[in-house]
Amino acid sequence: GQQVMQIPQYQHVQEGEDFTTYCNSSTTLSNIQWYKQRPGGHPVFLIQLVKSGEVKKQKRLTFQFGEAKKNSSLHITATQTTDVGTYFCAGPVEGSSNTGKLIFGQGTTLQVKP
Amino acid sequence: SQTIHQWPATLVQPVGSPLSLECTVEGTSNPNLYWYRQAAGRGLQLLFYSIGIDQISSEVPQNLSASRPQDRQFILSSKKLLLSDSGFYLCAWSPRGNSPLHFGNGTRLTVT
Repeated sequence: GQQVMQIPQYQHVQEGEDFTTYCNSSTTLSNIQWYKQRPGGHPVFLIQLVKSGEVKKQKRLTFQFGEAKKNSSLHITATQTTDVGTYFCAGPVEGSSNTGKLIFGQGTTLQVKP
Repeated sequence: SQTIHQWPATLVQPVGSPLSLECTVEGTSNPNLYWYRQAAGRGLQLLFYSIGIDQISSEVPQNLSASRPQDRQFILSSKKLLLSDSGFYLCAWSPRGNSPLHFGNGTRLTVT
C-alpha cells in the first residue's frame, strides 16, 4: 500500500548547526505538506508544496519538493532551541480526491542542545 | 477566524469503560473532519473522516466509532475501552479539497 517514509527518526544537534529531514513517498503526490509538533503539543501546519521542483523558504526553513513529486526535504539553517519538536511530512491518500485525507510520515524528532 | 475545540485534554479510564471525545469547529461551514490517533509520540494514524453530517468513513477496523450529529461536531466513541486504545487523539478539520489540516489540542487517553 501507499507509504510515506521519513529519515532520520531522531536528530540531536548543537544549537547553531544545520538540520535536514527527508521524506519519501511510494507514490507520486499532488502536493506535500509539512507540520511541526512541539513536545506535548499538536501538529501545526507549516507549508504546502505543489509544483515539481518547488522550493519555498520561511526564514531559516527551506522546503523542497522533488522533480518527480515523490520526495521532499526540510532544511533548517542555524538551529535554535525553539526549533525543537517533531517534523512530519504528509501527502494526499491515493484516490482520496477532495476528502483531504492525508498519509503522514513517522516524523523526525529534533533535539537542540543549547 | 476558524477555531477548533477538543475536550477533554486528558482522560484516564479503566478497561471496559465507555468513551466519548468531542470536537467542535467554529467559524466555517461544511468542513471535512478527521480523527487521528498518535501512539507513543510517533506517527499519526487516520481513524475516521467525515465530509458531511452522518457521513463517516472508517479507516481501520477497531474498537472505536465516530459520529457527526451536526455540521461542525465530531464525536469519537467506544462502548468498551481496551488497553490498546491508549494514545493521543487528535481532531482536525480542513476546507473542501486538498487543503492543510488544522488540529485541535488533542486528548491524552490512558486506559488502565
